[in-house]
Amino acid sequence: KQEVTQIPAALSVPEGENLVLNCSFTDSAIYNLQWFRQDPGKGLTSLLLIQSSQREQTSGRLNASLDKSSGRSTLYIAASQPGDSATYLCAPHTGGGNKLTFGTGTQLKVEL
Amino acid sequence: DGGITQSPKYLFRKEGQNVTLSCEQNLNHDAMYWYRQDPGQGLRLIYYSQIVNDFQKGDIAEGYSVSREKKESFPLTVTSAQKNPTAFYLCASSMVAGGVVTQYFGPGTRLTVL
Repeated sequence: KQEVTQIPAALSVPEGENLVLNCSFTDSAIYNLQWFRQDPGKGLTSLLLIQSSQREQTSGRLNASLDKSSGRSTLYIAASQPGDSATYLCAPHTGGGNKLTFGTGTQLKVEL
Repeated sequence: DGGITQSPKYLFRKEGQNVTLSCEQNLNHDAMYWYRQDPGQGLRLIYYSQIVNDFQKGDIAEGYSVSREKKESFPLTVTSAQKNPTAFYLCASSMVAGGVVTQYFGPGTRLTVL
């Protein structure tokens, strides 16, 4: 059974810092991995999807990397802004049924 | 406006009552999912459906039921058998493009049992 761990659980930084959020998973036989953002009391917004054959995927200030063999993914946020404050969830896609397994998330707060 | 809608946004239920949460999508996605989210925990899969008139149990299906009579709709019923139903419920749907599956989420329904 796939298990997903995200470190750190919470992070508070001043505006402008570059950040690294970590995700590890136990079953490396994944099809792809999605990173999501969740604002308090809201649904999830997909940020990046990185396929199992890819090493990196970029969107604006966000960069996700994937090391499938070691069961790790990293979300890099450049030049953080207060609007980036949210919970970030990673979810590898494993096996049949197109199911995702979610980590517990990293709660990010970017302060002025 | 394309997307996934969930209603109601907030729902209150007395113990012992069944309640149905609505999920509708106009994205023409084949697959739909229901997740439950509790504070400090990740999302857990309740039920999913890959095609109309077919659905499978997820990790925590006990006390829940679903139907998939139409492609656009995947309602979730929380029955009185669910011991701890107070939670945030999220519906999702997925598309396959170039062999890659991407999930999209609705805004959620917060259920509180009084």
